[in-house]
Amino acid sequence: QVQLQESGPGLVKPSETLSLTCTVSGGSISNFYWTWIRQPPGKGLEWIGYIYSTGSTAYNPSLKSRVTISVDTSKSLFSLSLTSVTAADTAVYYCSRRGGSSSPEVNWGQGALVTVSS
Amino acid sequence: EIVLTQSPGTLSLSPGEGATLSCRASQSVSSSSLAWYQQKPGQAPRLLMYATSIRATGIPDRFTGSGSGTDFTLTINRLEPEDFAVYYCQQYGSSPRSFGQGTKLEIK
Repeated sequence: QVQLQESGPGLVKPSETLSLTCTVSGGSISNFYWTWIRQPPGKGLEWIGYIYSTGSTAYNPSLKSRVTISVDTSKSLFSLSLTSVTAADTAVYYCSRRGGSSSPEVNWGQGALVTVSS
Repeated sequence: EIVLTQSPGTLSLSPGEGATLSCRASQSVSSSSLAWYQQKPGQAPRLLMYATSIRATGIPDRFTGSGSGTDFTLTINRLEPEDFAVYYCQQYGSSPRSFGQGTKLEIK
């Protein structure tokens, strides 16, 4: 059973860069699509983007200018970078795995709360 | 971007009753690309249904999905205490993927 675990700073200052890592265990990172999704406190889910294990990516246009998702297959992890953050980026950030290219997000990490505040 | 609108926002029911949750899309969604998730407080969402009507692994048959085009429904028969949660629909056939704003199913 694949497991995903988010890690990274829980507090980021405004205008700085949010960086999170998702470590994958119990399964291969190769040949899968890996996604980041976020959820502001008390609100709904927002799809941020995905990366395929070979490195191809797609991002939500609303965040595209600030987002980078990367993968390190040798370490079985993928990462999220979000630049120029504001309080509106405060959220629980989830990493997840699709079941396939045309599949929903099947496996999820437990989530990591990131607060943007000075 | 496809906007998904869920109704009602909150549904108050008692265990044993049936629930009907709606998800309406701003444009047509392929029936093979509509999913439902369940989220409990402090937990990550859990996949319930995909391709409109296929139950994910381990999901009991009291959960039923239906619909096509722009209107989709999640029906829960004989509510159990563990069913009270927030439910989200998601379309994954068009980029960017999008979620509805959620329906909170609460105990009456």
